[in-house]
Amino acid sequence: DVKVTQSSRYLVKRTGEKVFLECVQDMDHENMFWYRQDPGLGLRLIYFSYDVKMKEKGDIPEGYSVSREKKERFSLILESASTNQTSMYLCASRDRDYNNEQFFGPGTRLTVL
Amino acid sequence: AQKVTQAQTEISVVEKEDVTLDCVYETRDTTYYLFWYKQPPSGELVFLIRRNSFDEQNEISGRYSWNFQKSTSSFNFTITASQVVDSAVYFCALSEIQGAQKLVFGQGTRLTINP
Repeated sequence: DVKVTQSSRYLVKRTGEKVFLECVQDMDHENMFWYRQDPGLGLRLIYFSYDVKMKEKGDIPEGYSVSREKKERFSLILESASTNQTSMYLCASRDRDYNNEQFFGPGTRLTVL
Repeated sequence: AQKVTQAQTEISVVEKEDVTLDCVYETRDTTYYLFWYKQPPSGELVFLIRRNSFDEQNEISGRYSWNFQKSTSSFNFTITASQVVDSAVYFCALSEIQGAQKLVFGQGTRLTINP
């Protein structure tokens, strides 16, 4: 079974802090994604990565950066957390084969005070 | 630009009723994928189905069925004889067929099945 894990289920940070959200997948997938989920807005793509050290902006990249130094790990970074970044963050991965769907992690609920 | 609309924010039915979740999409692509995902209270999105735009056949899987109509840009999801375990948030999504297949999600429909 594909397993996508995220470092924390719940996280509370203060405004201005640097925040790292970690995602690890164990199926050697090339593509990895970070989404945020907000009520009434569904999931929106922040960043994605085609492969190691490759990254592209999604629909809402402002205030975020990412890092992919190893194939299995994709990190989302909030350089200076703000209250409007309070949200549920979901990581996903997929194999490059066209017929594969994205597999999601359990999510990290981040609260910025 | 791609867009997915799930107009039903919340639906509440009594167990054993049938329920249909609506999904309407917009895309300029001639080929694309459509998806449904389920998000139970635990939070993890569970894949339910992927439909290729080439294939307009309806699909049935147990109590679940999907009606894809390209002419109306709709991909509706029906649960027959609903059960309490079907309670969840359901997302419809659209992706390109080439490249990374980034998903564009609808707003989600919260389905509550009451005993």
